[in-house]
Amino acid sequence: KQEVTQIPAALSVPEGENLVLNCSFTDSAIYNLQWFRQDPGKGLTSLLLIQSSQREQTSGRLNASLDKSSGRSTLYIAASQPGDSATYLCAVRRNSGNTPLVFGKGTRLSVIA
Amino acid sequence: EAGVTQFPSHSVIEKGQTVTLRCDPISGHDNLYWYRRVMGKEIKFLLHFVKESKQDESGMPNNRFLAERTGGTYSTLKVQPAELEDSGVYFCASSHTGLGNTIYFGEGSWLTVV
Repeated sequence: KQEVTQIPAALSVPEGENLVLNCSFTDSAIYNLQWFRQDPGKGLTSLLLIQSSQREQTSGRLNASLDKSSGRSTLYIAASQPGDSATYLCAVRRNSGNTPLVFGKGTRLSVIA
Repeated sequence: EAGVTQFPSHSVIEKGQTVTLRCDPISGHDNLYWYRRVMGKEIKFLLHFVKESKQDESGMPNNRFLAERTGGTYSTLKVQPAELEDSGVYFCASSHTGLGNTIYFGEGSWLTVV
């Protein structure tokens, strides 16, 4: 049974810092991995999607890496801003593009101005 | 283009009552998913529709939960009778098969059972 773990559970950093959020999964047979952002009281917004054959994806100040064999992914946020404050969720798909996502509990990020 | 919309956004009901949550997926999306997050836990899968058919309902917790997707368009999730442990956020999501499988989530229906 696939399990996804995110460390740390919460993180507080001063504005401008670079930071790394970690995600690990127990079964390396994944189809893809996705990072989401959730603002309080809101839905989930997809940030980056990495296919199992890819090593990383970048979007603006965000960079996500995937090491499928070791069951790890990281989300790197450069030059953090207060607007980055949110909960970041990692999720993996099992074995095809439409199978359900398995989520971690998330990392709650606070960027202090 | 409208996103995934869910109704109601918040609901407070008494134990034993019935609640029906509705989800309108993005137009043309054949895949529709229900997920749930209870306090302190991770978001968990409930079920997956492809058009009007249930593709996977392995995450449905028990027979108090009934999901339908009429005509392959909107979906409803009924909880009857509701129990205290059903409290949480119910998310609906949709995607179009083949278009990069990008999945879009609604803002959730926040259910409190008292």
